[in-house]
Amino acid sequence: AQSVAQPEDQVNVAEGNPLTVKCTYSVSGNPYLFWYVQYPNRGLQFLLKYITGDNLVKGSYGFEAEFNKSQTSFHLKKPSALVSDSALYFCAVRDPHSGYSTLTFGKGTMLLVSP
Amino acid sequence: EAGVAQSPRYKIIEKRQSVAFWCNPISGHATLYWYQQILGQGPKLLIQFQNNGVVDDSQLPKDRFSAERLKGVDSTLKIQPAKLEDSAVYLCASSLGTGTSTDTQYFGPGTRLTVL
Repeated sequence: AQSVAQPEDQVNVAEGNPLTVKCTYSVSGNPYLFWYVQYPNRGLQFLLKYITGDNLVKGSYGFEAEFNKSQTSFHLKKPSALVSDSALYFCAVRDPHSGYSTLTFGKGTMLLVSP
Repeated sequence: EAGVAQSPRYKIIEKRQSVAFWCNPISGHATLYWYQQILGQGPKLLIQFQNNGVVDDSQLPKDRFSAERLKGVDSTLKIQPAKLEDSAVYLCASSLGTGTSTDTQYFGPGTRLTVL
């Protein structure tokens, strides 16, 4: 069975500093990995995904994520945080060998960027 | 391009009452998903449709939850009767449904259900 772990409930960072939101996964084969962001009272917005190829994936709003197969991780990063980045971030994994396209989500990490 | 539409945005009901949620996916998207997101948790898939057929409903509590997508476009999710533990945000998502699992799912704003 596939699973995702987001070890931090909350990440605090000052505006202008780099940020990292951690994600590790468990899946039987090569994973498909996704990051979504959720603002208050809004649905999930797609940020980026890793399917194959370059381990560094660039996405929306200046975010990027690095796939590390040996560490089974897919950490979300941004070189310089903005106050407007404050939101709830979800990592998700899909097993490409499953018959369905089911996404399994982590429990989420709240990112708080202080001015 | 219009996104995934959902209504209502908020609903408050008493336990044992029934409730229905509506979803209109992105135009041209063949696959539609309903998720339940309980406070403090990530979304959990309830049911997945490919056009108007059910692909996966293994986590749908079928004794009280039902969903349909009759014409392969709009979908409704119903709960009857509701329990206190059904209080959650119900998210609808859609994807192109090309048959590959690389599809990106796009989410609607959700319906926040409170059961009293």
